[in-house]
Amino acid sequence: NAGVTQTPKFQVLKTGQSMTLQCAQDMNHEYMSWYRQDPGMGLRLIHYSVGAGITDQGEVPNGYNVSRSTTEDFPLRLLSAAPSQTSVYFCASSYGESSYNEQFFGPGTRLTVL
Amino acid sequence: DQQVKQNSPSLSVQEGRISILNCDYTNSMFDYFLWYKKYPAEGPTFLISISSIKDKNEDGRFTVFLNKSAKHLSLHIVPSQPGDSAVYFCAVNNDMRFGAGTRLTVKP
Repeated sequence: NAGVTQTPKFQVLKTGQSMTLQCAQDMNHEYMSWYRQDPGMGLRLIHYSVGAGITDQGEVPNGYNVSRSTTEDFPLRLLSAAPSQTSVYFCASSYGESSYNEQFFGPGTRLTVL
Repeated sequence: DQQVKQNSPSLSVQEGRISILNCDYTNSMFDYFLWYKKYPAEGPTFLISISSIKDKNEDGRFTVFLNKSAKHLSLHIVPSQPGDSAVYFCAVNNDMRFGAGTRLTVKP
């Protein structure tokens, strides 16, 4: 099993550009989520999904869109990148009810917005 | 509002000694807590968890203690090893909140 994979590993954008961060898992996990990690702030939840076709907002959803058309994939879209979105982004998945299960994280995407 | 707080950004201990990492939370309704470990350029990995029906959970060198009345949990690593050097995050799974992390350095 590859676990949770994320592409790209690094990305530099200019303000106003759009892009999609890819996330895939091969563990047949129902639950997937996106976090951003900023210095001194820990990980903050952006969006999450409890299954294909179902998504919801987390703590910091503004400026990001998600969709979940398959169990395996959960892409994160930046519609119009801003310097405040410079961060490290982690995708995670877990089996079943997220509240009582550990999450498996991808290796992260480091995004810089100029 | 920071509902999960790790007030020590860093901790340095000698190899073989005990490492104690602390975490405080504000919501008494939280009932499932986890610790994750993160190495540079990698994603966090699950370390140990505890449910609010327990006050202690052990896994090898790692023990998590939960004090519900104080809304406090701690992670004990005994004995500490250089390979334990990493950033440790406490997390509350009820609403998927993470603390800011504590960077542990274990010196040989």
